Amino acid sequence: DAGVIQSPRHEVTEMGQEVTLRCKPISGHDYLFWYRQTMMRGLELLIYFNNNVPIDDSGMPEDRFSAKMPNASFSTLKIQPSEPRDSAVYFCASSLALIAYQETQYFGPGTRLLVL
Amino acid sequence: KNQVEQSPQSLIILEGKNCTLQCNYTVSPFSNLRWYKQDTGRGPVSLTIMTFSENTKSNGRYTATLDADTKQSSLHITASQLSDSASYICVVTRGYNKLIFGAGTRLAVHP
Repeated sequence: DAGVIQSPRHEVTEMGQEVTLRCKPISGHDYLFWYRQTMMRGLELLIYFNNNVPIDDSGMPEDRFSAKMPNASFSTLKIQPSEPRDSAVYFCASSLALIAYQETQYFGPGTRLLVL
Repeated sequence: KNQVEQSPQSLIILEGKNCTLQCNYTVSPFSNLRWYKQDTGRGPVSLTIMTFSENTKSNGRYTATLDADTKQSSLHITASQLSDSASYICVVTRGYNKLIFGAGTRLAVHP
């Protein structure tokens, strides 16, 4: 398996523009996670899905952020409109389970977003 | 309040030396605790995962311990290598579905 795939790897946009980040989880994984990482706040969980259904979106900062998972092999995180404070690295991760003994989250390479 | 606190915030050691990173948590109910290693510019990679019944878990030169009574965990790195330079993140699962993250410890191994 190629692992978790994210695109784009880098994104530079202007304030007010819409940004869409994409993720393909590892095949067969039932859980998909979106994270944001900044120097100031560290790694933050934004939202996660189980079998394509959003389970916990309490980490989504505000209404400008939305995430979807239309099928088991694809998810998007959208920011509309984007703001400079959204600049961060966004990671997608997937796992077979959440709290099972052998559960491991596999992270993608991340998307580095810069909003000017 | 459900929190995960890591110490030290950063650490510099010489190659070949051992070091121990700390993670204290106040998360309840506790499900499991994980340690991740994150190299600069890359996503985190899982090192260990432990439930409340486990005291020690090893992964090569990395050994994690868990004391569920005192709510403390440590990650011990033996015979450090330059490639151990990274951030180490402690994550505790609260209940069934809530992940609580520590701020991480940034480790630099110097030759």
